[in-house]
Amino acid sequence: LAKTTQPISMDSYEGQEVNITCSHNNIATNDYITWYQQFPSQGPRFIIQGYKTKVTNEVASLFIPADRKSSTLSLPRVSLSDTAVYYCLVVGAGGGNKLTFGTGTQLKVEL
Amino acid sequence: GAGVSQSPSNKVTEKGKDVELRCDPISGHTALYWYRQSLGQGLEFLIYFQGNSAPDKSGLPSDRFSAERTGGSVSTLTIQRTQQEDSAVYLCASSFQTSTDTQYFGPGTRLTVL
Repeated sequence: LAKTTQPISMDSYEGQEVNITCSHNNIATNDYITWYQQFPSQGPRFIIQGYKTKVTNEVASLFIPADRKSSTLSLPRVSLSDTAVYYCLVVGAGGGNKLTFGTGTQLKVEL
Repeated sequence: GAGVSQSPSNKVTEKGKDVELRCDPISGHTALYWYRQSLGQGLEFLIYFQGNSAPDKSGLPSDRFSAERTGGSVSTLTIQRTQQEDSAVYLCASSFQTSTDTQYFGPGTRLTVL
């Protein structure tokens, strides 16, 4: 059973870069790593997905080392509106019980 | 186009009653997922549909929970003989084809069992 481990919470200030690391030691060859963001009373929202090395989009970067046993979500220059829970999801095309998101990381951004 | 919709948004029921929760996925999405989120907790996987079939029902917590999907579109999650521990937000998501595709979530149904 694939399991992910993330820090429960992180604090930061506006304008800082935030890096959230997820451990997934049992990742399978065909698994992808996806990060979601969730605000209170809303469903999660896709941020970024990767398989290996580095992926960057307009809101974040995802760093994946060669062994793929961990991944780091990087949020550049966070703002108050980035305060949310961030989930790491490791899943292959077959879905299944790997679809459990876990407890996520509560990021709090302050002025 | 429209996103994933769920109804009702809130449901209060008495212990022992049956409830039905509905999910309308994004048009054209073949994969559909149900999750449960208890207060302050992460998302717990319940069931995954590929078309009308459910290749994985491993997350359903008991035989009181069942789900179906008809016409490759709308899905209904049914909880029979509700218990207080069933109180949670039930989230539905859909993705284009497989579970590696981006999941788009609905707003959820908040279920309260008195």
